[in-house]
Amino acid sequence: DIQMTQSPSSLSASVGDRVTITCRASQSITRYLNWYQQKPGKAPQLLIYAASSLQSGVPSRFTGFGSGTNFSLTISSLQPEDFASYFCQQSYIAPRTFGQGTKLEIK
Amino acid sequence: QVQLQQSGPGLVKPSQTLSLTCAISGDSVSSNDAAWNWIRQSPSRGLEWLGRTYYRSHWYNDYAVSVESRITINADTSKNQFSLQLNSVTPEDTAVYYCVKEKTGHYDWLDPWGQGTLVTVSS
Repeated sequence: DIQMTQSPSSLSASVGDRVTITCRASQSITRYLNWYQQKPGKAPQLLIYAASSLQSGVPSRFTGFGSGTNFSLTISSLQPEDFASYFCQQSYIAPRTFGQGTKLEIK
Repeated sequence: QVQLQQSGPGLVKPSQTLSLTCAISGDSVSSNDAAWNWIRQSPSRGLEWLGRTYYRSHWYNDYAVSVESRITINADTSKNQFSLQLNSVTPEDTAVYYCVKEKTGHYDWLDPWGQGTLVTVSS
């Protein structure tokens, strides 16, 4: 199975900050990388697919980058509704695997 | 838009079978560019993909190795839904279970997700 490693596991930041979350795959997955946001008590929601394509309705302050084994998710200016958990997921091969998540908290 | 509505019990006794159903609206379970997944989430395991079913001239299933001896995912075209059965459950199967559509094509992604069902395995 492909292992997905996210960092950091938690992050404290303020409204207006720029933050970056990274995700590393244990082997090359080219651009088969998706990002999801999850709020407490809710199901994950797709933010970015194919490493850098923004899902419809997702604000442009979210940016995905990377290919091969190294990927990142950047939020350019944090808004109150962005404080949540974020997960990466590879769709290169089955079984689909996820990162362990990054919890973004208000400082 | 596509919506997934989950149903099934939230409490299952050890050694029994966990059964959940996911009703699809706005799409077809027989779609040639979708796969229908079950994923669970727990504090100890994180997000864990369990398996999927999809139709490409005939039905296919993929299952996670960790549960492949205990899991069955079936599609019901007459009701436009799919189901999960997990046999011989233990407390380690306690988790929130999600049904999820996977859009397939050149790139694949998981969207949307069902609302989630907390399943507790306890006597």
